[in-house]
This record gives sequence, C-alpha cells and structure tokens, in this order.
Amino acid sequence: QSVLTQPPSVSAAPGQQVTISCSGSTSNIGNDYVSWYQHLPGTAPKLLIYDNNKRPSGIPDRFSGSKSGTSATLGITGLQTGDEADYYCGTWDSSLSAGVFGGGTKLTVL
Amino acid sequence: EVQLLESGGGLVQSGGSLRLSCAASGFTFTSYAMSWVRQAPGKGLEWVSGISGSGGSTYYADSVKGRFTISRDNSKNTLYLQMNSLRAEDTAVYYCAKTLVGIVSFDIWGQGTMVTVSS
Repeated sequence: QSVLTQPPSVSAAPGQQVTISCSGSTSNIGNDYVSWYQHLPGTAPKLLIYDNNKRPSGIPDRFSGSKSGTSATLGITGLQTGDEADYYCGTWDSSLSAGVFGGGTKLTVL
Repeated sequence: EVQLLESGGGLVQSGGSLRLSCAASGFTFTSYAMSWVRQAPGKGLEWVSGISGSGGSTYYADSVKGRFTISRDNSKNTLYLQMNSLRAEDTAVYYCAKTLVGIVSFDIWGQGTMVTVSS
C-alpha cells in the first residue's frame, strides 16, 4: 500500500486531455514539493514536473502540475499515443523521513 | 553528457549480500544529493535510500533500514548501495538517480541494474 494514492488507470482519446490525481497527507504532499515522472517499460523514469508545477527543460507545456493542500494533479493536454506510460507522483514524507511515491497510474491513449 | 551508470546487480541467495555502484559523469557530483529507487517485477517505483551531496546525511526506507547502507565517494564520482541480509522481496531493478532540487525530484536516472534474490 503506497503512502500516496493514485488511480490505477486513466484513459482518453488522442488529442484530448487527462488529469491524474495524487492524494497524500499533511506529512508529505501537504508539507513538501511534488514531482511527477513518466515511466515507459524497459526505460529509466523521466522527470516531467518538479516543485509542484515546474517543467525541466525539454518537457513540453502539454504537461502541467498543480498542488492544493494534501493533493496534487498532473495534467496532460493534446494526448499522443506516445504518452502511453505509467505516471508516478513523488515527494518527501517528514514523518517517515523518507521519499515516497504513489502506486502509479497507467495512461492509455485510446 | 550527464550520465549515470549502475553496476553490481546479479543473482544472490536469500541472506546474501551485494554492492551496487553508480558511476556519475557530466556534472559536479558533490553538489547534488543522490538516491536509489527500485521497481520490483510488476510493481511501482519505490524510493530506497538517499544521501546528501557531502555524504553527511543519509536516509532509508523502512523496508531496508538496518540492512542497506548508502554511501558515496566524491573523489571517484561514485554512489554505492551495500545490500545485506537480502530477501526475495528485494528482487527488483535498482536505479540510481540524481536530485535536481530538494531530495525527491530526480532529473537524471541510470539505466538500472537487476537484482534477483533467490529463496
């Protein structure tokens, strides 16, 4: 059971938009910045969003992040088939003194 | 080019030990915290351990505390994970990851090294 809760799967059609939620508590999301990762099987995870809503260089603005209280959201617009992947949120948990990830959300672009 | 290259994975019996290494290049290694993250077969990402740039602060997931030790040699630009008392549930691909800011925002990842613990 992950400390951060994500929906197991989401789906949408090409060109549409989707949001992925990440729910935590006051000791993790409510107390620190959230990052989001894209993970394709057999490859290394890729950082999409850090500090809740910042994009590293090279990440298109189709990807966005937000945080409110103890929840965070990843948004993806203009969905492409290449966006099919597993998406993870992550942050620091001050009670555990450890990093924590969500269980992951599988995005299907129909 | 910024790069992380893991090594040291393999097959080990339950109760055994392994040491993973992660060679870094292309950035000022000592300036950044580093972590190990793993993914067990069919499971999600799990943060395992982290270390500050100086090596003076270390952090562990409860699942590995007391069995794993993270360290770094800044003169060799290398991160290590000493894994003792290995269990079947430690079977996973282990990634080393460079922190961008804070402790848990990883902008550079290695290709991963597989650790298999047989029971």
